[in-house]
Amino acid sequence: AQSVTQPDIHITVSEGASLELRCNYSYGATPYLFWYVQSPGQGLQLLLKYFSGDTLVQGIKGFEAEFKRSQSSFNLRKPSVHWSDAAEYFCAVGGTGGGNKLTFGTGTQLKVEL
Amino acid sequence: GAVVSQHPSRVICKSGTSVKIECRSLDFQATTMFWYRQFPKQSLMLMATSNEGSKATYEQGVEKDKFLINHASLTLSTLTVTSAHPEDSSFYICSARDFGGGNEQFFGPGTRLTVL
Repeated sequence: AQSVTQPDIHITVSEGASLELRCNYSYGATPYLFWYVQSPGQGLQLLLKYFSGDTLVQGIKGFEAEFKRSQSSFNLRKPSVHWSDAAEYFCAVGGTGGGNKLTFGTGTQLKVEL
Repeated sequence: GAVVSQHPSRVICKSGTSVKIECRSLDFQATTMFWYRQFPKQSLMLMATSNEGSKATYEQGVEKDKFLINHASLTLSTLTVTSAHPEDSSFYICSARDFGGGNEQFFGPGTRLTVL
């Protein structure tokens, strides 16, 4: 069975500081990996995705993530956080099997201090 | 492109009534749509997968007779919460996968259901 672990429930960073959100996955084959962001009461917006190829993936809003197969990780990073980045971040794993079902992590709530 | 809408965005109903939530892919055809449920400050839990023209596949623990899903066309799926009770109050989010393939799901903005 596929699963995702986001070890950090809450993270607080200062505006302008760098950010790294952790994500570890479990999947039997090569996974498809996603990072989504959710603002309060809103749906999910895709930040970036990894299907294959270059393990360093660039996304929107200055975010990037690196797929590390040996560590089963797909951590999200941003060099300089903006106050508008405060939101809930979800890592998800899926694949070609099972109708492309996604399994989400429990999310990391990001707070940005001004 | 790849926009998914949901209607209504918020609904309040009395216990025992039924509520229908619509999920539409606005600019693409979706062979597969997914319905998720999200409790406050928690993650998304997949409820069911629906394929156009066929019966939905429900996840373990999800009551099929409680949560009726219909995917009658390539752009519309509906979730009906039958005989709603306060414990059904939640945030329901749909997503759609493009008919052209690929593994990305496009998410709707969600529907907040409150059952009194």
